Amino acid sequence: GAVVSQHPSRVICKSGTSVKIECRSLDFQATTMFWYRQFPKQSLMLMATSNEGSKATYEQGVEKDKFLINHASLTLSTLTVTSAHPEDSSFYICSAVEGAGASNEQFFGPGTRLTVL
Amino acid sequence: QKEVEQDPGPLSVPEGAIVSLNCTYSNSAFQYFMWYRQYSRKGPELLMYTYSSGNKEDGRFTAQVDKSSKYISLFIRDSQPSDSATYLCAMNPGGYQKVTFGTGTKLQVIP
Repeated sequence: GAVVSQHPSRVICKSGTSVKIECRSLDFQATTMFWYRQFPKQSLMLMATSNEGSKATYEQGVEKDKFLINHASLTLSTLTVTSAHPEDSSFYICSAVEGAGASNEQFFGPGTRLTVL
Repeated sequence: QKEVEQDPGPLSVPEGAIVSLNCTYSNSAFQYFMWYRQYSRKGPELLMYTYSSGNKEDGRFTAQVDKSSKYISLFIRDSQPSDSATYLCAMNPGGYQKVTFGTGTKLQVIP
C-alpha cells in the first residue's frame, strides 16, 4: 500500500524558535497533501490543504504566517511552525492523496509530536 | 452541532465480544466513509474505506453505511486485546477533499 513518512517523529524546541516538519509520499505522487493537528484526547483537526505548486489553503482560525506550508514537489510537503510557543505543542499529522480522483483515499503519516518548552 | 458526532467512550468489553462503534453526521455531501484505528501516540491507520451506502467486510471488521439515516457503524467480531485503541470515524465528499473526523471512541478489550 501507499506509504507516507514524516520527519522528525518527535521534536522538542525552545519557545520562540522555528520547527520544520516534512511529509513525504514514498511510493506515489501526491498532488494534494493535508496537515492536521491533534491535541491530547481530541480528534484530528484540519489545519490546511497543500497543493503542489500553489499556495496552501488554510482552515478558519489557523494563522498562515505562523504555520508555513510549502508543497514544492509531488512527493514532499513541509510545515514550518514559526516562533513556536508552548500552546503549539501538539501532534501534527499529514496525509496525502494519490492522484486526483474522487475515489482516491488519503494515506496518513505516522505523525510528529512537537513539544515547545 | 458538529458535522460528525461520535461517542468518545471509553468502551470496555471482554475478549471475544462483538464491538459496535457508531457515528452520525449531518453533511449530506459526504460520500466516502472511513474508519481509522489509532494507537496511543501514533498516527491513524486506515481500517475500512467505503463508498456510499452498504456493507463492507474485511476479516473480523464490518463497516456499514446508511446514508438515509446519516449513520455509520463499525463492527469488530471476536475482539482481541490488540484491538484496544481509539477508533476514529471519518468522511469526506471525495478523496482529494478534506476529511472530517469524529472525536474517536476509546476501546479497551479486557483479556
